[in-house]
Amino acid sequence: ILNVEQSPQSLHVQEGDSTNFTCSFPSSNFYALHWYRWETAKSPEALFVMTLNGDEKKKGRISATLNTKEGYSYLYIKGSQPEDSATYLCAFEDGNSGYALNFGKGTSLLVTP
Amino acid sequence: SAVISQKPSRDICQRGTSLTIQCQVDSQVTMMFWYRQQPGQSLTLIATANQGSEATYESGFVIDKFPISRPNLTFSTLTVSNMSPEDSSIYLCSVGQGAGEQYFGPGTRLTVT
Repeated sequence: ILNVEQSPQSLHVQEGDSTNFTCSFPSSNFYALHWYRWETAKSPEALFVMTLNGDEKKKGRISATLNTKEGYSYLYIKGSQPEDSATYLCAFEDGNSGYALNFGKGTSLLVTP
Repeated sequence: SAVISQKPSRDICQRGTSLTIQCQVDSQVTMMFWYRQQPGQSLTLIATANQGSEATYESGFVIDKFPISRPNLTFSTLTVSNMSPEDSSIYLCSVGQGAGEQYFGPGTRLTVT
């Protein structure tokens, strides 16, 4: 079992605030780092797949960075909206896992108007 | 992206019974996986469903408890056998086509009483 840690466990922000979460993962045998957004009663939605050290990816108001040497990734949300409320999961994919994903426990975000 | 459906979406079952969960994909996919999320825990891989051969189980999961079928490239089932309250979880199937994004179904929420 590969140790993937996410912090904070939960976060409550006001609409318009910007926020960020952390995902830490093993720095050896890295293959890819995935970010998902999971709303209750829906399928986890793929946000980013990141493979290269120094990668930065952006999707609307959400962006992510990757540092494979030190084993961490940040997810940023700019100008949070109530519809951003969800659990954000990161998942580590190593070179031996056959494309299976090792997930953190997630960061639960609540954005209130 | 693939569209994935799961049946049932939720169920309440009695201890000692079995439940079979179905996963249907709208296109042929190479890889299918089964995950579960116990309350307060990470999404954890149960097994990789292999088309035409026995599933590959992760440490801590066995075929007698979680038999899996994959008769073709668009369909798989997971059975949770001889259930106990510890099996209460969200069960998700996911699909992938190699390196890159994986897509998840909406999950089956199982409560065992």
